[in-house]
Amino acid sequence: DAGVIQSPRHEVTEMGQEVTLRCKPISGHDYLFWYRQTMMRGLELLIYFNNNVPIDDSGMPEDRFSAKMPNASFSTLKIQPSEPRDSAVYFCASSLTGRRNQPQHFGDGTRLSIL
Amino acid sequence: GQQLNQSPQSMFIQEGEDVSMNCTSSSIFNTWLWYKQDPGEGPVLLIALYKAGELTSNGRLTAQFGITRKDSFLNISASIPSDVGIYFCAGRTNFGNEKLTFGTGTRLTIIP
Repeated sequence: DAGVIQSPRHEVTEMGQEVTLRCKPISGHDYLFWYRQTMMRGLELLIYFNNNVPIDDSGMPEDRFSAKMPNASFSTLKIQPSEPRDSAVYFCASSLTGRRNQPQHFGDGTRLSIL
Repeated sequence: GQQLNQSPQSMFIQEGEDVSMNCTSSSIFNTWLWYKQDPGEGPVLLIALYKAGELTSNGRLTAQFGITRKDSFLNISASIPSDVGIYFCAGRTNFGNEKLTFGTGTRLTIIP
């Protein structure tokens, strides 16, 4: 089975530009998570969805960040305008609701560099 | 907010040595998970623990869910070169709440 697929794997852009990160969760999974990983702050949850509906966006740093999940197989995380401090690795993860809580499966991440 | 303190931050060991790392929390967790992250990849689940006191093994890896529900440890026996990476603990507070809190990670390096 295909795992969580993220694109692009690397993104380098100038500050002020719009950045869009994409994620395809594992087929059949009903939860999708966006994380950000930096050396200073570790792995932080930004937002998560259940059945395409945002459940908790308390980790989204500010209004420049937005996330959507238009259908069960696709989600985007957008940063507009981007700033150098947004440089990080962004991970998408998905999981399946079960009788016993199922673990989250992570994609390989998008390494974002804002110049 | 909840915090997970993971220790040690880094370990330098020789191949064949055993490894032990732990995670402590200021809050009670109902699920503990241990992940490993290789360079350039996302975290991969190693072991999941769902019950206080539970001791679970996965090959050379053994993890335990602390009785107080505020801690967990991971042991790796007879380390090999492919064990190199960053190990993260993660906890979930409530069944039905999918949100995970991650530890700060333990970076494992094997000295040749």
